[in-house]
Amino acid sequence: DGGITQSPKYLFRKEGQNVTLSCEQNLNHDAMYWYRQDPGQGLRLIYYSQIVNDFQKGDIAEGYSVSREKKESFPLTVTSAQKNPTAFYLCASRRVAEAFFGQGTRLTVV
Amino acid sequence: AQKVTQAQTEISVVEKEDVTLDCVYETRDTTYYLFWYKQPPSGELVFLIRRNSFDEQNEISGRYSWNFQKSTSSFNFTITASQVVDSAVYFCALSEAKTGGSYIPTFGRGTSLIVHP
Repeated sequence: DGGITQSPKYLFRKEGQNVTLSCEQNLNHDAMYWYRQDPGQGLRLIYYSQIVNDFQKGDIAEGYSVSREKKESFPLTVTSAQKNPTAFYLCASRRVAEAFFGQGTRLTVV
Repeated sequence: AQKVTQAQTEISVVEKEDVTLDCVYETRDTTYYLFWYKQPPSGELVFLIRRNSFDEQNEISGRYSWNFQKSTSSFNFTITASQVVDSAVYFCALSEAKTGGSYIPTFGRGTSLIVHP
């Protein structure tokens, strides 16, 4: 089945640790996105990539990093510089204008 | 800059009632796309509809209908005869065409719909 796979579904991070969220798609889409969702805040754009080996900062990129070495993969690293990382993270890829989403990763700092 | 406003934070209805979710957008572009997504408790956003700025025809899909009015910059979503399974958070989104053909969806804050049996 074609789709977007995010892993893990739940992730716990200790203070000061870096963690990496995985996002893989087999839809052959060029563009991919990372959004952060907080209660009552809607979705806010962290990073996006229009093509392999290229990515751009979104509205809230501080404390995050990404790579796009393969078309299928767009991992997000939440670094220790991100002061409030507890949130729900959604990855998406785009066909024409609409985005299709993975099932999300819920990150909690413990 | 583009902006999407969903003024209704939460709506509660009883099953079989009709319900309309409001969406108002702001953009300076003449070419743009509007979307609705559904987020059930599982968390994944499910794409419902896309509308481009040149197509103001209303659309109906089963119990769902969408009313796009450029004059009021609105793209409202109506569920007829609501069901418990419609309970979810619904997001309206706007995407303008950027340089190079990129589209960056901007989302509203979402409306939580609760349908009681």
